[in-house]
Amino acid sequence: QVQLEESGPGLVKPSGTLSLICAVSGGSISTSSWWSWVRQPPGKGLEWIGEMYHSGSSTSNPSLKSRVTISVDKSKNQFSLNLTSVTAADTAVYYCARKIRPTSAMDVWGQGTTVTVSS
Amino acid sequence: EIVLTQSPGTLSLSPGERATLYCRASQRVSSSYFAWYQQKPGQAPRLLMYAASSRAAGIPDRFSGSGSATDFTLTISRLEPEDFAVYYCQQYGSSPWTFGQGTKVEIK
Repeated sequence: QVQLEESGPGLVKPSGTLSLICAVSGGSISTSSWWSWVRQPPGKGLEWIGEMYHSGSSTSNPSLKSRVTISVDKSKNQFSLNLTSVTAADTAVYYCARKIRPTSAMDVWGQGTTVTVSS
Repeated sequence: EIVLTQSPGTLSLSPGERATLYCRASQRVSSSYFAWYQQKPGQAPRLLMYAASSRAAGIPDRFSGSGSATDFTLTISRLEPEDFAVYYCQQYGSSPWTFGQGTKVEIK
């Protein structure tokens, strides 16, 4: 069964770029699935960041759109998130997740990785 | 953007009791595109229900979902100790996909 694992720096400086990777195991990223990013600020709820298909099609939350890039590396069976111009408001636990269709719920989640934006 | 409002914010109940959680949408949501998740402290969310009333794999039948249009409900028929957690609703029919703010089910 598919498993996801996030990795990346736990600390990013303000105005810098947050870069995370989600490694996919137990299955190929080149399936008819969509690969998503969701974040959760400390003590708060969930916010959808964006998602992509292995072909390169992607979509993201308009509230973050100009700062978000999601890409896929089929050779490594992983996908990544880049979030530019970060501020303290971007401090959160970042999760990657899978959807089997564009309009489906997120049925597989990574364990999450904490990113703090601070100088 | 569709805003989801969950109520109550906190539900204090005892094991064995019935829990009813509500989620109201600011616009009509197709029931085909509505989900509930459970999250325990320090853990990722776990999919409970999709398409409003379909249980995800491995979810016990004490969990049930219902609703349509703007009003959706998650019911836990008899609370087990492992059910005390935070529950989130989500719509995935209209981008951006959005979540409710969560309902905490705590032990009374």
